[in-house]
Amino acid sequence: DAKTTQPTSMDCAEGRAANLPCNHSTISGNEYVYWYRQIHSQGPQYIIHGLKNNETNEMASLIITEDRKSSTLILPHATLRDTAVYYCIVRVEGGSEKLVFGKGMKLTVNP
Amino acid sequence: NAGVTQTPKFRILKIGQSMTLQCTQDMNHNYMYWYRQDPGMGLKLIYYSVGAGITDKGEVPNGYNVSRSTTEDFPLRLELAAPSQTSVYFCASTTASTRSGQYFGPGTRLTVL
Repeated sequence: DAKTTQPTSMDCAEGRAANLPCNHSTISGNEYVYWYRQIHSQGPQYIIHGLKNNETNEMASLIITEDRKSSTLILPHATLRDTAVYYCIVRVEGGSEKLVFGKGMKLTVNP
Repeated sequence: NAGVTQTPKFRILKIGQSMTLQCTQDMNHNYMYWYRQDPGMGLKLIYYSVGAGITDKGEVPNGYNVSRSTTEDFPLRLELAAPSQTSVYFCASTTASTRSGQYFGPGTRLTVL
């Protein structure tokens, strides 16, 4: 699976959009981009995933660049409850569905 | 649905002791996983299973064993506990047909002294 690079941390004001970047310049054509988050001490939570088209669900939007070398997770109206470590993971769909976690990025939403 | 449940929530072991971490899911998922998370780090895969009777090693399997006799249960066994196994352990499950990623349990915090 391709490696991802994320900033170590980011701050965002409550109520504003949080744009979380992820670089995956070595991504292969059959690899998906997955986002998970982990709120302090809890198990990780799936947010969204995509291949090449932009995706949106009730939690977030995922924007993948045309060359697929980077992506942005957008939380449209960040709340204090969105403070968490966010993991961007690239993997091939199918098979054992294993995930390889990096250190992730700490998002702090400030009042 | 209770989702993924793990027991115990906390445990302190002495060096050399053994224990089993329990994981149960009620979503009829065929894939199950065990991860460990050390402080300030991401999760590392210990073992996984793609169905009852089938298990395989992940990144950090040494010192652990697993079994999968039913779809619902995936226990993790520590035979001779060592301080290096002090960590938080997460169990997760999914199925190839889900579009909701892996579902994680609340974790077991283990300290080996």
